[in-house]
Amino acid sequence: ETGVTQSPTHLIKTRGQQVTLRCSSQSGHNTVSWYQQALGQGPQFIFQYYREEENGRGNFPPRFSGLQFPNYSSELNVNALELDDSALYLCASSLSSGRWYFGPGTRLTVL
Amino acid sequence: AQSVSQHNHHVILSEAASLELGCNYSYGGTVNLFWYVQYPGQHLQLLLKYFSGDPLVKGIKGFEAEFIKSKFSFNLRKPSVQWSDTAEYFCAVNRMDSNYQLIWGAGTKLIIKP
Repeated sequence: ETGVTQSPTHLIKTRGQQVTLRCSSQSGHNTVSWYQQALGQGPQFIFQYYREEENGRGNFPPRFSGLQFPNYSSELNVNALELDDSALYLCASSLSSGRWYFGPGTRLTVL
Repeated sequence: AQSVSQHNHHVILSEAASLELGCNYSYGGTVNLFWYVQYPGQHLQLLLKYFSGDPLVKGIKGFEAEFIKSKFSFNLRKPSVQWSDTAEYFCAVNRMDSNYQLIWGAGTKLIIKP
């Protein structure tokens, strides 16, 4: 176990809806990254937060947004869901050392 | 753009066979290198990592990897695989000057026949 938890485990939504995924970082970790892992592919970097500020973003549209809270937990919000958003969403936390601890992921299905 | 290439998408081996999974990356600066494993139904776990020092790194479960800077490679090896090694293996790279964001290969699905 890595100490990183994510909720919910599974989620089913329909096109056009909005979704919020949550991540609780390992204790003391001030950096969190979110990744999208589509079926049969490696994870793709969505964005990263350090001490509540976004400090890196991958090639994802603005309808993917996030927040990091003072206790370093975080959220990933996706608006106007599309079928291609169906994927496993991974959260990872770090203490700025480059070593990442991953959560179990949230499996999102968009119908 | 930076990229990470894993040479094989699927590998099937018999128990006790030797394993080598290839990984190449395209960035020329200082990098950290990782191999992660994802067992069926489980989350990503770190197998081993290279930050600096001895280019031959040993990880958990008998895995090792060698960083060859001149070839931009970080191949994963295990002398004798077991059925329990059946999993998907991902190579990943990050750079200190990009806030340690991980760039991933597409993964290699390894199936070990008992």
